[in-house]
Amino acid sequence: SQQGEEDPQALSIQEGENATMNCSYKTSINNLQWYRQNSGRGLVHLILIRSNEREKHSGRLRVTLDTSKKSSSLLITASRAADTASYFCATATGNTPLVFGKGTRLSVIA
Amino acid sequence: GAGVSQSPSNKVTEKGKDVELRCDPISGHTALYWYRQSLGQGLEFLIYFQGNSAPDKSGLPSDRFSAERTGGSVSTLTIQRTQQEDSAVYLCASRVGTDHNEQFFGPGTRLTVL
Repeated sequence: SQQGEEDPQALSIQEGENATMNCSYKTSINNLQWYRQNSGRGLVHLILIRSNEREKHSGRLRVTLDTSKKSSSLLITASRAADTASYFCATATGNTPLVFGKGTRLSVIA
Repeated sequence: GAGVSQSPSNKVTEKGKDVELRCDPISGHTALYWYRQSLGQGLEFLIYFQGNSAPDKSGLPSDRFSAERTGGSVSTLTIQRTQQEDSAVYLCASRVGTDHNEQFFGPGTRLTVL
């Protein structure tokens, strides 16, 4: 069953704008991770936030985690055409493998 | 350094045939995962190997699917008597350690069953 659910399913913005994607999950987690996928092939790890963290930054990426609401957000600031991709959240719980959501398809228009 | 590699990159087969998909993880990575991704969908977990422990096969969709990992390195995913619904991209990932942290993905094998 799907643990993480991304929202929106698709997002189209102009270059330079900020993009915000959300992820909701159902059970307690150890950490939550965001991945990017280009052209339907291999995923690239972007950032990991642990359950005791509330916010994390990496370059133009900002991730927040609200364990009380079981939700996370990924903010990409000053988006570029090269940010066009699908973005997935994945949750780690106990000793079970990561559970991925269905992803948000981001299109950044130059 | 070399990343995770998978072969073949594309495989077209006829319904009923068996296929083998290969994954070469990053050297030294003790954990290896197989996922399946249907068009426009998220990743579906198939199987997980961690060191010498028994693999977690809980995600395999049927007994037509099996996987092995030889010598703690290369892994082969075998699908017997392929069906059209097996068409998908099969992704392999590896990582170090025992915590479910960052995974490194291969480029995937796109399987098409005619």
